[in-house]
Amino acid sequence: ETGVTQTPRHLVMGMTNKKSLKCEQHLGHNAMYWYKQSAKKPLELMFVYSLEERVENNSVPSRFSPECPNSSHLFLHLHTLQPEDSALYLCASSQDPWSRELSPLHFGNGTRLTVT
Amino acid sequence: DAKTTQPPSMDCAEGRAANLPCNHSTISGNEYVYWYRQIHSQGPQYIIHGLKNNETNEMASLIITEDRKSSTLILPHATLRDTAVYYCIVRVPTSNTGKLIFGQGTTLQVKP
Repeated sequence: ETGVTQTPRHLVMGMTNKKSLKCEQHLGHNAMYWYKQSAKKPLELMFVYSLEERVENNSVPSRFSPECPNSSHLFLHLHTLQPEDSALYLCASSQDPWSRELSPLHFGNGTRLTVT
Repeated sequence: DAKTTQPPSMDCAEGRAANLPCNHSTISGNEYVYWYRQIHSQGPQYIIHGLKNNETNEMASLIITEDRKSSTLILPHATLRDTAVYYCIVRVPTSNTGKLIFGQGTTLQVKP
């Protein structure tokens, strides 16, 4: 149990579908993150939320829409995706993203997304 | 762009120390070095971090050179479960938030 739970673990969707990825953290952290990991590529930061406010958006296409209703939950809403969006989507949380000495990121085990 | 350089792969015999090097020659004076690892099919796991002094915890030791341009992660007694990709990371200095840029990392293979 990592303290960060992601559902579903696997998702297959067509290009016209709309789906959502869910992340929940049980660690009392106040920052949450979405990362994308494509095959043979490093992790790419997508979004950062601090105290439910989006503080980073790394030039992510609008077909990815994040939502952070409270400090424990984070969603990634997906629509009109492309096959190249197939990847492992990882959620993470941390205590304080603002300090010079960053508190460790705690990652979930990800959602493996396949777009057909 | 990744701000660290690591060898793409390393092997280590089970029970021996694994020494993973990292170059970060452009690190600024007040930036920390962080190490994470990712075991296959799991999310990355935090290992250790440091500024300029050597650090040790229950998982590993971190040795940072005096000029801070490089560091070495040491797993003192590697086991088969330590087989993973190890990432050495420094924070993007222009970012005010927890923006860690992951590079390609070092794939460590621990062999029996």
